[in-house]
Amino acid sequence: DTAVSQTPKYLVTQMGNDKSIKCEQNLGHDTMYWYKQDSKKFLKIMFSYNNKELIINETVPNRFSPKSPDKAHLNLHINSLELGDSAVYFCASSRLGQRGEQYFGPGTRLTVT
Amino acid sequence: LAKTTQPISMDSYEGQEVNITCSHNNIATNDYITWYQQFPSQGPRFIIQGYKTKVTNEVASLFIPADRKSSTLSLPRVSLSDTAVYYCLVGGIDDKIIFGKGTRLHILP
Repeated sequence: DTAVSQTPKYLVTQMGNDKSIKCEQNLGHDTMYWYKQDSKKFLKIMFSYNNKELIINETVPNRFSPKSPDKAHLNLHINSLELGDSAVYFCASSRLGQRGEQYFGPGTRLTVT
Repeated sequence: LAKTTQPISMDSYEGQEVNITCSHNNIATNDYITWYQQFPSQGPRFIIQGYKTKVTNEVASLFIPADRKSSTLSLPRVSLSDTAVYYCLVGGIDDKIIFGKGTRLHILP
């Protein structure tokens, strides 16, 4: 009965590879997000979707492409991985119009070697 | 979005009440104050949100003075498991949230 789930929990890959992280929420929320938390623990928003429509793109390199097949899922695909992409990626969701109250997933620790 | 200032770290002991204060001098009329908690290796967790005076839930209380230029998160009778980073955020109810550095709370036995 996990509210926001992500897979995989850990991801180790080499530079240049392409990888995807999946996110699903069963809260019935209309808005979903991706965040990146780097080694210094700063948590930064990357993308936000409302009902499958992109509404926030925080100047993230276009190697990162979010995809929302339906409002319960927001996947993150990363092309040509770089060392600097190593971080923990969190998915979150909220009710429409309630971005202040978000529910986060457990995170995916991505390590690029 | 209003800028917030909170202590970088705090220590307390089990069983004590812990108060973490956040300053937000340029808070706007329609801004809310929200607190999140993040345990190591986990995503942030929404704790509480308020606009003015006092809000209480099963986890914490939030005290907001009349001028709203600061707020205090109060955690009653903390335990070791309350060791976490606590983030204070200020913004409109539907503004994107921007996390600062937070306050690293360390509970000692």
